[in-house]
Amino acid sequence: QSGLTQPPSVSGAPGQRVTISCTGTRSNIGADYNVHWYQQLPGTAPKLLIYGHNIRPSGVPDRFSGSKSGTSASLAITGLQAEDEADYYCQSYDSSLNGDMVFGGGTKLTVL
Amino acid sequence: QVQLQESGSGLVRPSQTLSLTCAVSGGSISSGGFSYYWLRQPPGKGLEWIGYIFHSGSTYYSPSLRSRVTISVDTSQEKFFLNLTSVTAADTAVYYCARCALDFYSLDVWGKGTTVTVSS
Repeated sequence: QSGLTQPPSVSGAPGQRVTISCTGTRSNIGADYNVHWYQQLPGTAPKLLIYGHNIRPSGVPDRFSGSKSGTSASLAITGLQAEDEADYYCQSYDSSLNGDMVFGGGTKLTVL
Repeated sequence: QVQLQESGSGLVRPSQTLSLTCAVSGGSISSGGFSYYWLRQPPGKGLEWIGYIFHSGSTYYSPSLRSRVTISVDTSQEKFFLNLTSVTAADTAVYYCARCALDFYSLDVWGKGTTVTVSS
């Protein structure tokens, strides 16, 4: 049911900056609907990481940031730490016929 | 703060009905500004939304599951429920309940998830 496209995996060394892309269409991200990001640590439930393109809930470090342009969005993580190793999902709303909430397929971040 | 907790049958026979409960604590389902979701995650795969409900009882279901899903709510117990009929092995997954903040349409509170296996 993945309506948004994410790379299956990304990796980076501790201290580095990585970005995860999330590509949509004119019926979701391109229609200016909010984009959100979730972090899923191994064996745990997803946790809201970024909402409204680039708003961090209380407790989320400012190493995490989001951006949006056109039909795509990105999650950036600076000063990569071992504890950041997780799956990351983007989510938005889709106004197409089968629309409503849409997710990306998830990106596995490996900290080398 | 608001917490969600799933409970229900961990093993369901094929063709039977999967039934789960989500208990809400630290807040009221009846308070405005939120809807309540059921989602699932098959082993090794991504997230899929199943459906959601408002405190009024209005429901919306994923088109791919609509024919088999019923979501209901009991505001007096601060619980909402999922029934999925005619299950197959493809319904094996971790099932999550979550709260959706309607201002941004983001899932701001999640339960820990419950594993449901469909097997004879």
